Amino acid sequence: GESVGLHLPTLSVQEGDNSIINCAYSNSASDYFIWYKQESGKGPQFIIDIRSNMDKRQGQRVTVLLNKTVKHLSLQIAATQPGDSAVYFCAECAYGQNFVFGPGTRLSVLP
Amino acid sequence: EAEVAQSPRYKITEKSQAVAFWCDPISGHATLYWYRQILGQGPELLVQFQDESVVDDSQLPKDRFSAERLKGVDSTLKIQPAELGDSAMYLCASSFLQGDGYTFGSGTRLTVV
Repeated sequence: GESVGLHLPTLSVQEGDNSIINCAYSNSASDYFIWYKQESGKGPQFIIDIRSNMDKRQGQRVTVLLNKTVKHLSLQIAATQPGDSAVYFCAECAYGQNFVFGPGTRLSVLP
Repeated sequence: EAEVAQSPRYKITEKSQAVAFWCDPISGHATLYWYRQILGQGPELLVQFQDESVVDDSQLPKDRFSAERLKGVDSTLKIQPAELGDSAMYLCASSFLQGDGYTFGSGTRLTVV
């Protein structure tokens, strides 16, 4: 059968534009969420986190939005740069247990 | 900046051979995790340690995989015998407390031929 993993969702954006990467999480009990960035051949790198008592959190050029009603998380990257090209994963955690990672989205920044 | 150290970075092994990976977490991080990441997918937990004790190894294929963290610091993950389907990136991560965000190492890319 087809391997879903070989068809990673891809988002292509022009350099300088804003990017929005979406994630549907699975556990309604999850109360802590992290976005990770993974460049080719490297381990995931922490970008930004948010707890369930918040619906928005901002960092440097990045914003995470949380909609608990529909179990949706998004990562917004402002003024996307070539160095932002990577695979982005959302990870969810419930009650201080282990993080569960989503399938990832590949961001490709076009010159 | 403190890092999680992993070695080797790359490993090619023949099927049925034994292979081992090493991880040194950030100093003071009591919780250590081994994840497996198949190409194009998100990381999946294999085993979690709290100090020297295994907290969760429910997803570890125990017929061929083993992990230890004898002194509660560095850790070794072993596969014996390796199978073709074990080809993946093996990631180590650590955190100060369970439920904190992880810091990942650069991983070991395993290719089984």
